[in-house]
This record gives sequence, C-alpha cells and structure tokens, in this order.
Amino acid sequence: GIQVEQSPPDLILQEGANSTLRCNFSDSVNNLQWFHQNPWGQLINLFYIPSGTKQNGRLSATTVATERYSLLYISSSQTTDSGVYFCAVISNFGNEKLTFGTGTRLTIIP
Amino acid sequence: DAGVTQSPTHLIKTRGQQVTLRCSPISGHKSVSWYQQVLGQGPQFIFQYYEKEERGRGNFPDRFSARQFPNYSSELNVNALLLGDSALYLCASSLAGQGVTQYFGPGTRLLVL
Repeated sequence: GIQVEQSPPDLILQEGANSTLRCNFSDSVNNLQWFHQNPWGQLINLFYIPSGTKQNGRLSATTVATERYSLLYISSSQTTDSGVYFCAVISNFGNEKLTFGTGTRLTIIP
Repeated sequence: DAGVTQSPTHLIKTRGQQVTLRCSPISGHKSVSWYQQVLGQGPQFIFQYYEKEERGRGNFPDRFSARQFPNYSSELNVNALLLGDSALYLCASSLAGQGVTQYFGPGTRLLVL
C-alpha cells in the first residue's frame, strides 16, 4: 500500500516563529488532506489539497503531485497552533480509505 | 449544520466484552468510514460504508464489524475485546468518491481493562 512519511516528527518553536511541515507519499494520489489534532483528539480539517497551493489566514499548503510531496506552512505561530499535524492521502489505486502519516508534533512556547 | 457526531464520548470495558460505537454523518453525506487511533500513532482505516454496502475493509480481525443504516448513520461493533483494542475510534463522513474531503467526528475513547 501507499506509504506516507512526515517530517520533522517533533518541532518546538517560540511564539511568532514560522514553520514548514513536510509530507512525502510513495504513489500517485487523488486526495490529500492536512489535519490538526487538538489535545482532545478532534481532527480538524485544514486543507483538502491533492495539488496546487491554498491559503487560509496564517496557514498555507502546497502539493506537488508529480514529485509526491506536500508542505504545510504556519506563519506567526501562536500557542493555540500546538498539537499534532497529520497528512493523509487516498491512493489512485486503492479504495477510498485515507492513509495517514505518522504526524508532526508541534509545540509553541510563549 | 451539525458536523459528524459520535457516541458515546468515553467508554470503559473489560476484556472479553463487546462494544457498539455509533456515528451520525453530516447531512447529505452517504459515505461513512471508521478509523482506530492508538496512542502515539496516526489513525488506521477499519471500514468504509457507502449506501449501506461495505466499500473497503482494513487489516483488522473479524472481531470488528460494522453496518450502515438507511439514514446513513453507522455502528461499529467489536467483540471479545482485548487490551490492545484500547484506542480512540474516529468516524468520518464524506460525499461519495475519492476526490472529496472527509470530515471527522470527535471520536469515542475506548479503554479496555
């Protein structure tokens, strides 16, 4: 099956800093989503981005499908950005299941 | 509009017991998927249902089963619970098809003692 790798696994930043999270996947995809999992476990949709670039406030994401990676940018980090960020994909060659990466744990220090 | 809802929020069971988890999708969504997330890992796919039919099944034992009702809500059943079944169980709903956004509910935390 498709493999999804995220880096870095952990990231600790000062409030106000910028960060870039990376997601690599091993096969062509028709669905790629970025999620933020809050301390209570809720997976919050950030972006649906199988290709191209999108922006939402301080967050933006870019997926280069031909090179099989996606990047999530967080600017001017706030403490509320802390949590685990997951990338998840659906392969072109499978059913409709999302395959998740191992996540990046982001900690923003005041 | 209401998002995906799940019940119960928390559950404590003992080994060998059976459990039923429930999920109501977003209005208009006909596809429901179930995921298991153990501590420190990403969610793992268990089942997907669309129009009451199973569309996909992950690598889980036959102790796990699910169904979808005419109103598109879904139940996940786990029999003969093991300690390793302790996890956060997440339900996601979507319109049909692969190229659409999946929306997740708040999850059910299951603890097996």
